Amino acid sequence: SQELEQSPQSLIVQEGKNLTINCTSSKTLYGLYWYKQKYGEGLIFLMMLQKGGEEKSHEKITAKLDEKKQQSSLHITASQPSHAGIYLCGADSTGTASKLTFGTGTRLQVTL
Amino acid sequence: ETGVTQTPRHLVMGMTNKKSLKCEQHLGHNAMYWYKQSAKKPLELMFVYNFKEQTENNSVPSRFSPECPNSSHLFLHLHTLQPEDSALYLCASSLTGDGNQPQHFGDGTRLSIL
Repeated sequence: SQELEQSPQSLIVQEGKNLTINCTSSKTLYGLYWYKQKYGEGLIFLMMLQKGGEEKSHEKITAKLDEKKQQSSLHITASQPSHAGIYLCGADSTGTASKLTFGTGTRLQVTL
Repeated sequence: ETGVTQTPRHLVMGMTNKKSLKCEQHLGHNAMYWYKQSAKKPLELMFVYNFKEQTENNSVPSRFSPECPNSSHLFLHLHTLQPEDSALYLCASSLTGDGNQPQHFGDGTRLSIL
C-alpha cells in the first residue's frame, strides 16, 4: 500500500514568516491533494495537483508537484494566525481518486 | 459551512450499544466516503459508495455496517464496538468516484467507546 510521509511533523513560526511543508510518496502519484484541518473538525480542501511540475496558488499558499521525486510541497508566504492548523496531504495511487491515502499531517502554529 | 453535514458531532456509547452515524450532502455529489481518524495515525479510508453502490470496503470489521440509501445520504451503523474504535469518523463526498474531483469533508463525529 502507498505511504505518505510528511515533514516536518510540527512547525512553529512567527507571524509574517514563510514556511514549507513536504509530502513524499512511496509510490507513483496520479494526483496529490492538500487539506487543512483544525483540531476535531473536518478537512478543508486547499488544492489539487495532477500533473508533474504543476504549481497552484491560492491567496498566500502555493503547492507544487514533482512527479519524478514523487513529492509535493506546500509553501505559505507571510504566515498569519489564521494559517494555524494541521495540513494533510492525500495521494491518489490508483488513478481514480476514489481511494486516497493520507499522510499523518503537519501541525502548524503561528505565534504573534 | 462545508456542504457535508454529520450528526451527531459527539457520541459516547457502551460496547453493547447500537448506534448510527449520519452524513448528508447537498452538493449534488454522487460519491460518498467514510474515514476513520485515530490519534497519531493517518486518516484511514473505510468505505466508498459511488451512485449508491459500495465500491470499496477497506477490510473494515463487520461491526461497522454502512448504508447508502441515496446519493445524498450515508449512514454508518455501529454495534458491539471495541475501545480501539474510539476515533473521529469523517464523511466525505465528491462529484464522482472515478474522476479527479476533490473530496469535501464534513466536521466528523467524535466517537468514544466506554
